Amino acid sequence: GNSVTQMEGPVTLSEEAFLTINCTYTATGYPSLFWYVQYPGEGLQLLLKATKADDKGSNKGFEATYRKETTSFHLEKGSVQVSDSAVYFCALSDRGFKTIFGAGTRLFVKA
Amino acid sequence: NAGVTQTPKFQVLKTGQSMTLQCAQDMNHEYMSWYRQDPGMGLRLIHYSVGAGITDQGEVPNGYNVSRSTTEDFPLRLLSAAPSQTSVYFCASMTSGIQETQYFGPGTRLLVL
Repeated sequence: GNSVTQMEGPVTLSEEAFLTINCTYTATGYPSLFWYVQYPGEGLQLLLKATKADDKGSNKGFEATYRKETTSFHLEKGSVQVSDSAVYFCALSDRGFKTIFGAGTRLFVKA
Repeated sequence: NAGVTQTPKFQVLKTGQSMTLQCAQDMNHEYMSWYRQDPGMGLRLIHYSVGAGITDQGEVPNGYNVSRSTTEDFPLRLLSAAPSQTSVYFCASMTSGIQETQYFGPGTRLLVL
């Protein structure tokens, strides 16, 4: 079946450091890929998405490229801020109505 | 436009009690779903609905019931609460397009003693 695997956390970085959170997936067909972010005490919200191979999603300085050859969708940001501290979820959707989430990666950014 | 709303925010139950978690959306989305979030396990789908009058089971449906009488509302019922149902519950909605974005409510934190 379809699945999403993302790196375990927590990830602790200093402000202005470079961020990478790895995500790989298993799916039949051509899924859409997503990164959702969950700030403390809140629900998930979409950060970025990509719907086909080689697409790059971007938002708020975060980027991720849909790599079909490596079945990956790694999240990157060049310079993190304290306000980026949150839990990040990689997810895929292959038939529109069902979204499969990874376990989440908690990010702490220190000032 | 309130988006997806959930009530209550927090609830404590005793084993065997029943309760209903409320979820409503004002975006006229056809698709709605319930997830539970447990540490280290991401979000797991409990039940979902593709429109009023249509519901189906997700990955972890046991112990939960749903109904969808209107487009706006999608309540989740716990029939006889168990400690294993202690979790954070999220409701989400989505348009009917293929591979669309989900919109999440703020969550309900449930503790079953």
